[in-house]
Amino acid sequence: RKEVEQDPGPFNVPEGATVAFNCTYSNSASQSFFWYRQDCRKEPKLLMSVYSSGNEDGRFTAQLNRASQYISLLIRDSKLSDSATYLCVVNPSSGTYKYIFGTGTRLKVLA
Amino acid sequence: NAGVTQTPKFQVLKTGQSMTLQCAQDMNHEYMSWYRQDPGMGLRLIHYSVGAGITDQGEVPNGYNVSRSTTEDFPLRLLSAAPSQTSVYFCASSPDRFQPQHFGDGTRLSIL
Repeated sequence: RKEVEQDPGPFNVPEGATVAFNCTYSNSASQSFFWYRQDCRKEPKLLMSVYSSGNEDGRFTAQLNRASQYISLLIRDSKLSDSATYLCVVNPSSGTYKYIFGTGTRLKVLA
Repeated sequence: NAGVTQTPKFQVLKTGQSMTLQCAQDMNHEYMSWYRQDPGMGLRLIHYSVGAGITDQGEVPNGYNVSRSTTEDFPLRLLSAAPSQTSVYFCASSPDRFQPQHFGDGTRLSIL
């Protein structure tokens, strides 16, 4: 089993739709979680950190489910500019310093 | 704020040549790392550092060397370039392992 797994997509959704991505992780000791977005051939950019109680930033909501070991990202009222690849990142647990990246979920918002 | 600065942005090398990719950050971050990303693939960790004088290998370290003599700089050296090292290289930094990483805008490297 991969340490961090994401559905590669692509998710093709119409403008204005709500879309959700999940990301599962294997190490129950993982402590910090992040969502990044990456545009084609560009660097990953932090979208949001994921907190235990869940958190929201405008149209974006992140949730953490420790019992089932997954994090989720919900995008409401999708915009054309949301088209990108969304990367799930899990911080290293105690004893290691390697951030674990998922391979990403591609989102395409259609006009 | 400059953040994480990578140079050069583009480079073409011939097989067997060596070169150094530069990475500098001005945020006083302890943790720095190098990744490569091949077309359509995820990020793969090459080397990382948890502070000046301390480096360790990631999942694909072969053919690359690093050093960390200062907090600010973390250069990546290709010892003898091979076509398989054609990729986009990203440098990233974070204050510690609990904080998100900040990425440079990458170096696009082609080995002929």
